[in-house]
Amino acid sequence: QVQLQESGPGLVKPSETLSLTCAVSGGSIIGYYWSWIRQPPGKGLEWIGHIYYSGSTNYNPSLKSRVTISVDTSKKQFSLNLSSVTAADTAVYSCARLTSTGTWYFDLWGRATLVTVSS
Amino acid sequence: QSALTQPASVSGSPGQSITISCTGTSSDVGSYNLVSWYQEHPGKAPKLIIYEVSKRPSGVSNRFSGSKSGNTASLTISGLQAEDEADYYCCSYAGSSTLVFGTGTKVTVL
Repeated sequence: QVQLQESGPGLVKPSETLSLTCAVSGGSIIGYYWSWIRQPPGKGLEWIGHIYYSGSTNYNPSLKSRVTISVDTSKKQFSLNLSSVTAADTAVYSCARLTSTGTWYFDLWGRATLVTVSS
Repeated sequence: QSALTQPASVSGSPGQSITISCTGTSSDVGSYNLVSWYQEHPGKAPKLIIYEVSKRPSGVSNRFSGSKSGNTASLTISGLQAEDEADYYCCSYAGSSTLVFGTGTKVTVL
């Protein structure tokens, strides 16, 4: 059974870069889109962006200038970099699999990880 | 790209039916039959319960149903059960390979 597991620092200083990795286990990374989603405390879900296994990306326009998502198929993992973070970027970050058949829904989610931006 | 609008909370008694609305624009909900719904229990990963407006994944109770009219999608939970108490989010394709979530609705079973 395919599982996703996020990893990365739980605390990031303001103005620095938030970096997270999502490991895919129990299945292939090939043939799918892989996404990052976040949820600030007490707020709703926000789509950050996604990457196709081949490397093509799409980002939320509101975050596009600060976001980079990359994929390493040999390691079966994909990563999120969010630069110039502020307290507003404090959130629970999740990785998820996005269906690749043009139906655009998330069928698998990681357990999520809390990232706090604070000095 | 603004979040889709959902009511902050909806409540109902066991056995009743409730409906959660998800209002977007002609650029997202109104243009595509690509609305999905997710159920989120505290501390757990969101679970897909509806995709492509009204389709249910295997294993999801048929008490959950979805529909769409114009720029508004809806999720109906019939025969409300205690286990349905959770947060619910809609999500729509918004063109150009982008997606937008709803603001979320807390469902309370009275």
